[in-house]
Amino acid sequence: KQEVTQIPAALSVPEGENLVLNCSFTDSAIYNLQWFRQDPGKGLTSLLLIQSSQREQTSGRLNASLDKSSGRSTLYIAASQPGDSATYLCAVRAAGNKLTFGGGTRVLVKP
Amino acid sequence: DTAVSQTPKYLVTQMGNDKSIKCEQNLGHDTMYWYKQDSKKFLKIMFSYNNKELIINETVPNRFSPKSPDKAHLNLHINSLELGDSAVYFCASSQDTTENQPQHFGDGTRLSIL
Repeated sequence: KQEVTQIPAALSVPEGENLVLNCSFTDSAIYNLQWFRQDPGKGLTSLLLIQSSQREQTSGRLNASLDKSSGRSTLYIAASQPGDSATYLCAVRAAGNKLTFGGGTRVLVKP
Repeated sequence: DTAVSQTPKYLVTQMGNDKSIKCEQNLGHDTMYWYKQDSKKFLKIMFSYNNKELIINETVPNRFSPKSPDKAHLNLHINSLELGDSAVYFCASSQDTTENQPQHFGDGTRLSIL
């Protein structure tokens, strides 16, 4: 059974510092991994999707890496801003397009 | 022009009642999902429909009955609500069931059972 863990559960940094969010999963037989952002009282916004054959994906200040063999992904957010404050969720996708989510990392960027 | 919309956004009701949550997507997607996010913020899939056909049912109590009148809609009906049903329920959709398609989520329905 796939289990997804995100560490740390919460993170607080001053504005301008780089953010590093970790995600690990127990079963490496995944099709892809997706990072989401969740704002309080809102749904999930997809940030990046990395296919199992890829090592990383980039979008603006966001970069996500994937090491499928070791069951790890890292989301880097460069030069953090207060607007980056949110909960970040990673999810791995197995057959049938089933997503298994981690518990999230709650990020606070202080001005 | 919301892509995935759920109604209502908030639902407060008493134990034992029956309630429904509606979901609609205007993305032209074939596949829709219901997820439950518990108090510890873990999201777990409940159901998935592809072109109105049930394809995933994750050992959810049969008090929960999804209904898909067409591929743009996936509603969730819950009978005899229990305290443990309090959670945020998210609807999502994807182009189809192939694994390289991202899922797009609605804003959630916050269900509170008194």
